[in-house]
Amino acid sequence: DIVMTQTPLSLSVTPGQPVSISCKSSQSLLHTDGKTYLYWYLQKPGQSPQLLIYEVSNRFSGVPDRFSGSGSGTDFTLYISRVEADDVGVYYCMQVIQLPWTFGLGTKVEIK
Amino acid sequence: EVQLVESGGGLVQPGRSLRLSCRASAFTFGDYAMSWVRQAPGKGLEWVGFIRSKAYGGTTEYPASVKGRFIISRDDSNSIAYLQRNSLKTEDTAVYYCIKTKRRMTTYYFEYWGQGTLVTVSS
Repeated sequence: DIVMTQTPLSLSVTPGQPVSISCKSSQSLLHTDGKTYLYWYLQKPGQSPQLLIYEVSNRFSGVPDRFSGSGSGTDFTLYISRVEADDVGVYYCMQVIQLPWTFGLGTKVEIK
Repeated sequence: EVQLVESGGGLVQPGRSLRLSCRASAFTFGDYAMSWVRQAPGKGLEWVGFIRSKAYGGTTEYPASVKGRFIISRDDSNSIAYLQRNSLKTEDTAVYYCIKTKRRMTTYYFEYWGQGTLVTVSS
């Protein structure tokens, strides 16, 4: 199974400050079709997860442009340019290049 | 707006079976795969299986942790996905999410999640 390792596991940030969350996979997520199958989800408190970023760097419909993603191969990063109070929750990375699909343990973001 | 409403959760004894339902609306259900993910209390997310659309065979995939105990099926005429769980264990206690799963090239991804239903396995 592909292991997804996220760091940090938690962070506390001041509104308006930037945030970066790292996700590393135990195998390359670059498919022979040229796509890299790394996704980011946010689970806000008391809610179900929602899709933020697909294929490393593409924002899903309705996701604010303060969210962005980058990376390749096995190393990926989610960025929030200026954190807002609404961004609190747990961020998960996930791979779908190989079954079983696997998630990182999550990064909990809190606002100071 | 896509809606996925899970039901069938509750308290169940170890060793028993339970079937969860997921009723979908606001999209052409038969055109999409459907997945289930669970989240144990205070824990992260674990994928527990998915079913392809009929156009791609309607076949299922499961991780080793639940293979043989969990069965996913679908009723396209009523836009419902099911998760049948047999031989339940206390470690199956979790919130179970139903997910509209979109095909992308040779794989899939989770597009929209339901609100989840809590299953507690306890004697």
